[in-house]
Amino acid sequence: NIVLTQSPATLSVTPGESVSLSCRASQSISTSIHWYQQKSNESPRLLIKYASQSISGIPSRFSGSGSGTDFTLSINRVESEDFSIYYCQQSYSSLYTFGAGTKLELK
Amino acid sequence: EVQLVETGGGLVQPGRSLKLSCVASGFTFNNYWMSWTRQAPGKGLEWVASITNSGGSTYYPDSVKGRFTISRDNAQNTLYLQMNSLRSEDTATYYCTRRVPFDYWGQGVMVTVSS
Repeated sequence: NIVLTQSPATLSVTPGESVSLSCRASQSISTSIHWYQQKSNESPRLLIKYASQSISGIPSRFSGSGSGTDFTLSINRVESEDFSIYYCQQSYSSLYTFGAGTKLELK
Repeated sequence: EVQLVETGGGLVQPGRSLKLSCVASGFTFNNYWMSWTRQAPGKGLEWVASITNSGGSTYYPDSVKGRFTISRDNAQNTLYLQMNSLRSEDTATYYCTRRVPFDYWGQGVMVTVSS
């Protein structure tokens, strides 16, 4: 199975800062990585697909990059509504796996 | 508007069975792969099962293979998850999701496995 390792586990920031969240795959997965945001007591929502493709309705401050084994979700100028948990997921294998998540919290 | 509505959750004893349903609306159901993903209390997301649009192929992680069965009724726009031999570690909120990547999620349904 493909293992996804997210880092850091927790990221403490102040609104207005720009941040990068990392997701590393245990083997090369091309660009078959997707990012989700989950706010407290809500269902997750898709933020970015296939490493860097934007999703309709998602603010432009969210962007993704990477290929192979190393991927990054970037948030340009964090806003208060962005404090939540972020998960990466791979679809290179039909045995889909998620990373453990990165919690973005208020500093 | 795309909607996914899960039902069928509840409290069940270890070793027993439960069947979840997900009614889909707002899109052409038989055009899309569908999946179930779960989240144990306070934990991360775990993919549980996927099924192709025709229902001809299914996929499971080792943690549920042989115990869970995903199926669909395209005439009724409904996705199912039959869960047998339930264990305490199956306690979670179960989400129905559309396609890959999972572009729409239901509100989730809670399953508690406890004696």
